Amino acid sequence: EIVLTQSPATLSLSPGERATLSCRASQSVSNSLAWYQQKPGQAPRLLIYDASNRATGIPVRFSGSGSGTDFTLTISSLEPEDFAVYYCQQRSNWPPLTFGGGTKVEIK
Amino acid sequence: QVQLVESGGGVVQPGRSLRLSCAASGFTFSSYAIHWVRQAPGKGLEWVSVISYDGSSKYYGDSVKGRFTISRDNSKNTLYLQMNSLKAEDTAVYYCAKSLGGNYYFENWGQGTLVTVSS
Repeated sequence: EIVLTQSPATLSLSPGERATLSCRASQSVSNSLAWYQQKPGQAPRLLIYDASNRATGIPVRFSGSGSGTDFTLTISSLEPEDFAVYYCQQRSNWPPLTFGGGTKVEIK
Repeated sequence: QVQLVESGGGVVQPGRSLRLSCAASGFTFSSYAIHWVRQAPGKGLEWVSVISYDGSSKYYGDSVKGRFTISRDNSKNTLYLQMNSLKAEDTAVYYCAKSLGGNYYFENWGQGTLVTVSS
């Protein structure tokens, strides 16, 4: 099973700042990685797939990069609605499909 | 627009069974693999199961293998999850999620249904 480790667990930032979230895989997943955003009481929302492709309707301030074992989600300038929990997920080697433990982006 | 609506959750005693449903609309249901993903209270996401577009292939996470069964009825645009021998650790919000094309990413999600396993 591929284990995804996200860091940091919590990121405290102010609106307008840049957010950089990390996801590390226990073995190579090539570019088969996605990022999701989840707000309290809501279902997750797909942001990025195949490491760097924005999903439909996702603002350009969200970008993804990386390949192999190290991936990054960058939010270029945080908007108030971006404070949420973010998860990475791999589809390279399954079953099972696996998620990281999440990074909470909170208001500083 | 794509809509996925889960139902069937509730409180159930350990060892008992429950069946969840997911009603789909707004897309050609019979063309997509559909997943169940769960989230225990205050915890992260855990993939549970997937069924292929035609129901011929099914896969499960280790924690539910042998206890849960995924199925679909393409004539009714509905996905099911039969959960047997329920345990306290199965307590979670259960989401159904549509695949992104042929890729096993989760493009669209339902609102979830809460299953609580407790005596």
